[in-house]
Amino acid sequence: EPEVTQTPSHQVTQMGQEVILRCVPISNHLYFYWYRQILGQKVEFLVSFYNNEISEKSEIFDDQFSVERPDGSNFTLKIRSTKLEDSAMYFCASNSLRATDTQYFGPGTRLTVL
Amino acid sequence: SQQGEEDPQALSIQEGENATMNCSYKTSINNLQWYRQNSGRGLVHLILIRSNEREKHSGRLRVTLDTSKKSSSLLITASRAADTASYFCATALYNQGGKLIFGQGTELSVKP
Repeated sequence: EPEVTQTPSHQVTQMGQEVILRCVPISNHLYFYWYRQILGQKVEFLVSFYNNEISEKSEIFDDQFSVERPDGSNFTLKIRSTKLEDSAMYFCASNSLRATDTQYFGPGTRLTVL
Repeated sequence: SQQGEEDPQALSIQEGENATMNCSYKTSINNLQWYRQNSGRGLVHLILIRSNEREKHSGRLRVTLDTSKKSSSLLITASRAADTASYFCATALYNQGGKLIFGQGTELSVKP
C-alpha cells in the first residue's frame, strides 16, 4: 500500500541553524500538508500546499518557515533559523482528489534544537 | 471549549472490553477523522466520517457523528493490548479546505 515517507527520522541541530525536512507524499496525491506536535501536546496545522502554492498557513508558519515542491515527488519544509521552541515532531500529510478526503500522514521527523 | 476536544483524556480497560472515546467540536465541519498514535510514532488513519453521515464501521471500530450536538464517538469493541495508543479526532472545517484541527487525544491503555 502506498505511504507517505519522511526523512530524516531524527534531526538534531544547533539553535540558529537551517534545517530542511523532507517528505515524499503518495504519488497521485495533489494536496500536501505539514503539521507539528510538540512533545505531550496536540498536533498543530502549519501549512497546506496545492498546485505549487501555499493555500493556507497558520500563525505558527512565520517568515522562518518555507515549503517547496522542488520536483514531482518531494515536498520540503525549511526552517531558516531554528529556535529551541521549534523542537517537535513534524508530520507531512497528503490527500488525493479533494482536500476534504482522508489525509495520510508520514511517520514524522523528530527535530531537536539544542 | 476548543475545536476538537476528546473525552476522557485517559482510559484504562481490560482486554476484551469495549472502549468508547468522545470528541466534541464547535464549528461546522466537512468531515471528522479519527487517528491512532502509538507512543512517539506517526499518525495512523482509522476512519473518516462526513458531515452528512451518522455512523460508520470499520472492523472493530464504530464511529458516530451527531452534527446537532457537534460530537462524535469512537467505539473499539473487544479491545486488545495492541490497541493501547493515543486516539485523536481531527476536524476538517466547512469551507476551509483540508486543514485538520486536532484535539488533545484520549490515551487508551488496554491491560492483558
